[in-house]
Amino acid sequence: GAGVSQTPSNKVTEKGKYVELRCDPISGHTALYWYRQSLGQGPEFLIYFQGTGAADDSGLPNDRFFAVRPEGSVSTLKIQRTERGDSAVYLCASSSTGQGAHQPQHFGDGTRLSIL
Amino acid sequence: KQEVTQIPAALSVPEGENLVLNCSFTDSAIYNLQWFRQDPGKGLTSLLLIQSSQREQTSGRLNASLDKSSGRSTLYIAASQPGDSATYLCAGTDKLIFGTGTRLQVFP
Repeated sequence: GAGVSQTPSNKVTEKGKYVELRCDPISGHTALYWYRQSLGQGPEFLIYFQGTGAADDSGLPNDRFFAVRPEGSVSTLKIQRTERGDSAVYLCASSSTGQGAHQPQHFGDGTRLSIL
Repeated sequence: KQEVTQIPAALSVPEGENLVLNCSFTDSAIYNLQWFRQDPGKGLTSLLLIQSSQREQTSGRLNASLDKSSGRSTLYIAASQPGDSATYLCAGTDKLIFGTGTRLQVFP
């Protein structure tokens, strides 16, 4: 399909491990967003890319979290030294224009991350 | 800091009823407001986007209004169906700040 694709759909790992979550946005979308959603809560903003650059990373909780988008398309969210509190669904979204603009964000189905 | 509140938190209604879901936000300087639905285990599906210069948007049985002066948005669902059962989320500002959602169940 032509939607936002996230892999893996589920990831289970042990505390202290390193994980990478991948997002393939809709082709041609320049803006890409990462969110984190805990059970029973709305998504929480993490980081926003416009092209290759992180235009706003104010939502990243600490320096264990990092994201890249080297070619302005696929993005990877990286979490070092995972903690049990990192367990959540990580959602990716893309849009054809950037923050504050008039195009809706389209979401993937998310990666459910479980830290044991 | 923008905060978004949604009322009610949960709603259970028989099929055919007309529904109103409410969203309120603390910072009236939002750029736009977007309504989503989320099915269990899935991502968010965009329903309606209201630009800051608009007052409402309609799509099929859905109508969303935006009143920036009062800091409120309303999603109206006409003639509800069991397939409408989902969690409905609103988000405002240029960086989507979400409410906690309204869990809707429509029973036959």
